[in-house]
Amino acid sequence: EIVLTQSPGTLSLSPGERATLSCRASQSVSSSYLAWYQQKPGQAPRLLIYGASTRATGIPDRFSGSGSGTDFTLTISRLEAEDFAVYYCQQYGGSRYTFGQGTNLEI
Amino acid sequence: QVQLQESGPGLVKPSETLSLTCTVSGGSISSYYWSWIRQPAGKGLEWIGRMYVSGSTNYNPSLMSRVTMSIDTSKNQFSLKLNSVTAADTAVYYCARDMTVRFDPWGQGTLVTVSS
Repeated sequence: EIVLTQSPGTLSLSPGERATLSCRASQSVSSSYLAWYQQKPGQAPRLLIYGASTRATGIPDRFSGSGSGTDFTLTISRLEAEDFAVYYCQQYGGSRYTFGQGTNLEI
Repeated sequence: QVQLQESGPGLVKPSETLSLTCTVSGGSISSYYWSWIRQPAGKGLEWIGRMYVSGSTNYNPSLMSRVTMSIDTSKNQFSLKLNSVTAADTAVYYCARDMTVRFDPWGQGTLVTVSS
């Protein structure tokens, strides 16, 4: 099983600042199969990024994804109030999916 | 656009079987895989398994022995059964369209509590 470790667990920033969230895999992950989700309290996760760097439909361009192999990054260039939420990375490999434990982005 | 809605009992007794259905609207269930994912309160996401209309399935090895999935194309629905449940199975259960590279969209989720 590929384990995804996200860091930091909690990130405290202010609106307008830049956020950098990390997702590290226990073994190499195909970039095609790495995605990021945003989850707000009481809501289902929302797809942000897939294929490590492709923004999903309707996602603002302040969200960007990068990385390859075992190290992936989600960057939010200028935080807006609505961006404060929990973020999860997810990978597919070996006919199964795993998620990271999440990063709580708080004000 | 495609929308998903979970339905089923919100309370299940220990040792019994949890049964949920996901209804797909705005598109055909006869394409893509369809997955179930759960989230205990205050915790992260756990993939349960997925199914294709052909009957092909993949399950999380940690749950494989207790999980069964099925699809009803006539109703545009797919279902989850999890047997021998315990309190550890208490969670919000989500269904999602599984495009292999991503889950999109998701249902709103349904809380299932295991308690006597």
